[in-house]
Order: sequence, then C-alpha cells, then structure tokens
Amino acid sequence: DTAVSQTPKYLVTQMGNDKSIKCEQNLGHDTMYWYKQDSKKFLKIMFSYNNKELIINETVPNRFSPKSPDKAHLNLHINSLELGDSAVYFCASSHGAGHEQFFGPGTRLTVL
Amino acid sequence: GIQVEQSPPDLILQEGANSTLRCNFSDSVNNLQWFHQNPWGQLINLFYIPSGTKQNGRLSATTVATERYSLLYISSSQTTDSGVYFCAVEFGDYKLSFGAGTTVTVRA
Repeated sequence: DTAVSQTPKYLVTQMGNDKSIKCEQNLGHDTMYWYKQDSKKFLKIMFSYNNKELIINETVPNRFSPKSPDKAHLNLHINSLELGDSAVYFCASSHGAGHEQFFGPGTRLTVL
Repeated sequence: GIQVEQSPPDLILQEGANSTLRCNFSDSVNNLQWFHQNPWGQLINLFYIPSGTKQNGRLSATTVATERYSLLYISSSQTTDSGVYFCAVEFGDYKLSFGAGTTVTVRA
C-alpha cells in the first residue's frame, strides 16, 4: 500500500508542450507539497498546500500551476515546458507544519 | 537567509566502517529530518528528530537544537548504505529546507 504515489514516474516531452503530474496520498494528511530536485541533486520547495489552500509559492514561474481537488490529491500542471524544467519532481505530505514529511517516488521530467 | 550545511560533501567507506555525518542549521527548528536517497532516486525517511537521540538498527541520530546541529551515525556500513544522505529542516513555515547532501560510497 503506497503512502504517497505519483504518476507518471517518467515523462519525456518536447519544449513548448503542456504536461501534468499527479500525486495522491493515503496517509490522511492535510498538507501536501511539491519539491524540485535539479541535476546537482539540490532539493527545493515549490508549493505547499494545507487543507486545499495554497500556503507557499516559492517564486515559481506562473507556468507551474498546482491544483488540489481534495486533501488527498495535489496535481502539478506545467505549461509551455522549457529545457530548464528538466528535473525530478517530488510530492510529499504531512500532518501540517512541523510534522514529518513523507515523499513520493518522484517523477523524472525530461524536456527535449 | 536560512542555511543548512552538511559535511562532509563526500564520504568513501570500506564495508564495516563507522561514520558520522553532520548537519548545521542557522535558526531554531520545529522539524529536522534525515533522508537517504538510494541509487534509484527514492527518498527514504530515516529519522524525524527535531531534538534528542534516536536509533534504528545500525543508524542513529542526535540533534542538539540549542547548538543548532544534528549528527547521523552509520555503524558497520554495508554497500546498501551507499547513496546521498540529506538533512532537511523546517522553521515552522510549511517547507523543508534541504542541505546539499553527503554522498556516501561504501566499497566491498
């Protein structure tokens, strides 16, 4: 029983395309996150959602639009993909601020 | 700004050796986690340890919150311990700030 799941695991696409990554958690958490890991393995927060409301938007280009249809899901839609968007995107969840965060398996996005 | 510094950046061990990884952080935290990123890219939770000491098998961790550092101990290292170890902290603001990681290579 996967706690935090993401689809797809791999995504290869052309520059200029629009793509989505889906995330679901079955831990009953009320807070979900998107993190980006670059080619040097540095991990950085992109967005945080608490009870379906956006809490953190860490200077991410507005081509990235998260959507939380309910507390168990947080999707990431990316418009007009650029080469620099190539990275691994991780979804995570927790019981709110200060609590342990659990990560999904990651989605490796490659923009050609 | 908020800083999380890990040392050493790289560590090469012979199987069976012990090691200590360090994480320094710049402010009071309400969450500190250690992760292992395995060669397949999965981020595995090792410890949730904003303060105190915990042990899990051959791994243990200590956080001294008043002095703003945490240590991860690996004992009797095995080749499966290879990967990148990340320290991440939260300052009560709904986001983990990650260190740059320590890349551990355990040789048979």
